[in-house]
Amino acid sequence: QVQLVEFGGGVVQPGRSLRLSCAASGFTFSSYAMHWVRQAPGKGLEWVARISYDGSNKYYADSVQGRFTISRDNSKNTLYLHMSRLRVGDTSVYYCAKGGVISFRGWGQGTLVTVSS
Amino acid sequence: DIRMTQSPSSLSASVGARVTITCRASQDISNSLAWFQQKPGRAPKLLLYGASTLESGVPSRFSGSGSGTDYTLTITSLQPDDFATYYCHQYSSTAWTFGQGTKVEIK
Repeated sequence: QVQLVEFGGGVVQPGRSLRLSCAASGFTFSSYAMHWVRQAPGKGLEWVARISYDGSNKYYADSVQGRFTISRDNSKNTLYLHMSRLRVGDTSVYYCAKGGVISFRGWGQGTLVTVSS
Repeated sequence: DIRMTQSPSSLSASVGARVTITCRASQDISNSLAWFQQKPGRAPKLLLYGASTLESGVPSRFSGSGSGTDYTLTITSLQPDDFATYYCHQYSSTAWTFGQGTKVEIK
């Protein structure tokens, strides 16, 4: 079955950078688009970014465009989210999720990013 | 971006009750609509997609309907395991968006 494990979260100061990773197993990772979705404490879900199966197409939410970069390494079955110029408002649990014709059938457990001075 | 507006934002209901949650899109999303259930501290779980197709393993008391801009999630007989927050989600455009959520609480 689909297994997604995120790591790399933690506490970071405003303006700094952080890279999240998502290790995938249980499916053919290189055949599927992947997403990042975040959830601020006590708030709803916000889609962040999506990358095509081969990394050739990337889409971003307006709130992170120009600051966050989604990427993948299909040889390592790993998805990444590089976050720069972090803001207090980026504080959230970040989930990776499996894409495809029907997206979000599989989710990771999430990793918490706290942006605070 | 397509804005998704859910109502109500929260509701209280008893076990066995019929519950209806609505979701309105800011433009026609042509049934590119999914529903998720989320429990505290857990990742969301896909319930339905294509507005009305039940995901494998999801109980048949969950159903979805709608078209165009207006969609509905119905739980026909609320069970203790159903108390959670529910989100609609549109995948009609490449700026995927979610509704703000509906929290279903025990009455």
